[in-house]
Amino acid sequence: GQQLNQSPQSMFIQEGEDVSMNCTSSSIFNTWLWYKQEPGEGPVLLIALYKAGELTSNGRLTAQFGITRKDSFLNISASIPSDVGIYFCAVKGGSEKLVFGKGTKLTVNP
Amino acid sequence: DAGVTQSPTHLIKTRGQHVTLRCSPISGHKSVSWYQQVLGQGPQFIFQYYEKEERGRGNFPDRFSARQFPNYSSELNVNALLLGDSALYLCASSSIAGAEETQYFGPGTRLLVL
Repeated sequence: GQQLNQSPQSMFIQEGEDVSMNCTSSSIFNTWLWYKQEPGEGPVLLIALYKAGELTSNGRLTAQFGITRKDSFLNISASIPSDVGIYFCAVKGGSEKLVFGKGTKLTVNP
Repeated sequence: DAGVTQSPTHLIKTRGQHVTLRCSPISGHKSVSWYQQVLGQGPQFIFQYYEKEERGRGNFPDRFSARQFPNYSSELNVNALLLGDSALYLCASSSIAGAEETQYFGPGTRLLVL
């Protein structure tokens, strides 16, 4: 089945540092999404990417849709404690479903 | 405006029992999807309903079923519960069922099967 490889699995950083995480697939997808999930909550959409090569920002977050349509990355600049959570990449997998990666758990030390 | 709401928030059942989880979409949204999230994993697609009709089904056994009501709320039913059904069950709604429609997730129902 469709599988997304998300890395790293976890990150421990100091407040103020920049963060980078990525997601790859063996298949081509036309939409890449990045979600954040905090404890006790459902995932919240951060950035949606619809065109190969597209670079989109949302505040301190920047995401890119790889030119091959098989990968995407998410960068967070100048991290703050409230950035803590699990970040998931996701793609539209057909039949209207979303296929998620396994997540990157981010811990920010003040 | 209220977001996606789910009930109950937590549930404990024993093996072999049946469970019904409920979801109310954002007002005006006609599509509801259900996902299962096992600890340490990303959400996995179970069902999508649009205008009361099933539009998609994930790789889950027939013990899992769902329906959507005329007011667009939805129920997920799981029969003959197994220990492995313990998970966070997420509901997501969108205004239509389409490739570029954003899905908004509820807080989930945490199910523990003993």
